[in-house]
Amino acid sequence: AQKITQTQPGMFVQEKEAVTLDCTYDTSDPSYGLFWYKQPSSGEMIFLIYQGSYDQQNATEGRYSLNFQKARKSANLVISASQLGDSAMYFCARRYGGATNKLIFGTGTLLAVQP
Amino acid sequence: EADIYQTPRYLVIGTGKKITLECSQTMGHDKMYWYQQDPGMELHLIHYSYGVNSTEKGDLSSESTVSRIRTEHFPLTLESARPSHTSQYLCAVAGTSGRGGANVLTFGAGSRLTVL
Repeated sequence: AQKITQTQPGMFVQEKEAVTLDCTYDTSDPSYGLFWYKQPSSGEMIFLIYQGSYDQQNATEGRYSLNFQKARKSANLVISASQLGDSAMYFCARRYGGATNKLIFGTGTLLAVQP
Repeated sequence: EADIYQTPRYLVIGTGKKITLECSQTMGHDKMYWYQQDPGMELHLIHYSYGVNSTEKGDLSSESTVSRIRTEHFPLTLESARPSHTSQYLCAVAGTSGRGGANVLTFGAGSRLTVL
């Protein structure tokens, strides 16, 4: 099965430091998209950042950046200058099914930001 | 972005009851989704709709059913709830994001179902 792997069930980071959340994926599709979502304890899913498989540059969005290594099939999320409000569950996802835009999700990483 | 609304946010119900989880969106997007998420786990697609009267089952088998009679409305129904249906159900809409033009899924706040 083409799956998403997030090997870090939980992470701690000190406030104001940077943290990297790992994500690797498996696909035979030539074109695909990768997404990161944040899920606070309230349960909603918040879109953070997107990387297309043909994008030449790594995606950035404010304090979020995506370290995309296509040959290694990895798409790690980097959060710079962590804030207490960053404490949440983070999910990596890959688009599949062509124009259906369906997403398959990883198991998530629980990030705790410590003051 | 699509405004997407889910009701109820929380529901505690007894075994055997029929329930309907509501999902509505205001932007007129065609593609809508239902995902199921057990506590602390990943999301799994259980239903997908690509327009009015067009629905299909997702990757995770579910006893729930859906309908899409109007573009803006995508309700999920369980005819006879069981404790195994206890989970969070998240509705989503695909729309074009300004960020790189990606077709991003925007999620509702979710419905947390507990079946006793």
